[in-house]
Amino acid sequence: DGGITQSPKYLFRKEGQNVTLSCEQNLNHDAMYWYRQDPGQGLRLIYYSQIVNDFQKGDIAEGYSVSREKKESFPLTVTSAQKNPTAFYLCASRSAGSYDGYTFGSGTRLTVV
Amino acid sequence: ELKVEQNPLFLSMQEGKNYTIYCNYSTTSDRLYWYRQDPGKSLESLFVLLSNGAVKQEGRLMASLDTKARLSTLHITAAVHDLSATYFCAAYSGGSNYKLTFGKGTLLTVNP
Repeated sequence: DGGITQSPKYLFRKEGQNVTLSCEQNLNHDAMYWYRQDPGQGLRLIYYSQIVNDFQKGDIAEGYSVSREKKESFPLTVTSAQKNPTAFYLCASRSAGSYDGYTFGSGTRLTVV
Repeated sequence: ELKVEQNPLFLSMQEGKNYTIYCNYSTTSDRLYWYRQDPGKSLESLFVLLSNGAVKQEGRLMASLDTKARLSTLHITAAVHDLSATYFCAAYSGGSNYKLTFGKGTLLTVNP
């Protein structure tokens, strides 16, 4: 079955560490997105990518970095510069030219310890 | 900048009752999406509304879009416990990047 796989499901980060969240899709979608979800805050866009080797900052990109070396993969690195990284992170994708909206992965819950 | 506002943010209903969740957005948008999220889970697409006057129904849920009023509604008919979840609306802000701006979500609890 096609879909989006995020891993790990739970991730713990020590102060000052960088961590990378994985997002892989086999839907042949062109565009991929990273959102952060905090309780009562809805979803906020971190980064997005329309094509391989190209990506743009979203509304809250500070302290995060991404890469898009393959169409299927869009990993998100939470750097030590992100002062409040504890949140639920959702990856999404969509097919260019489709009006169907996004398909979401199952999410990664990141906790700072 | 597109802003999306949902209300209410919290909704406690009794089974069998009807209610409506409202989604207002601040600038022109002709594409509106509704998603459902169960606790700790991903977002599941419910409805895609692509034009003024669009109405979609699935089971006890019905969504509509009024682009002139910049308003979408999600109506719940004869609520059942299984509908308990958080519901998000999201509006398309225009442009080729297809960014969606999400509301803060409505936490719906249906009590027996």
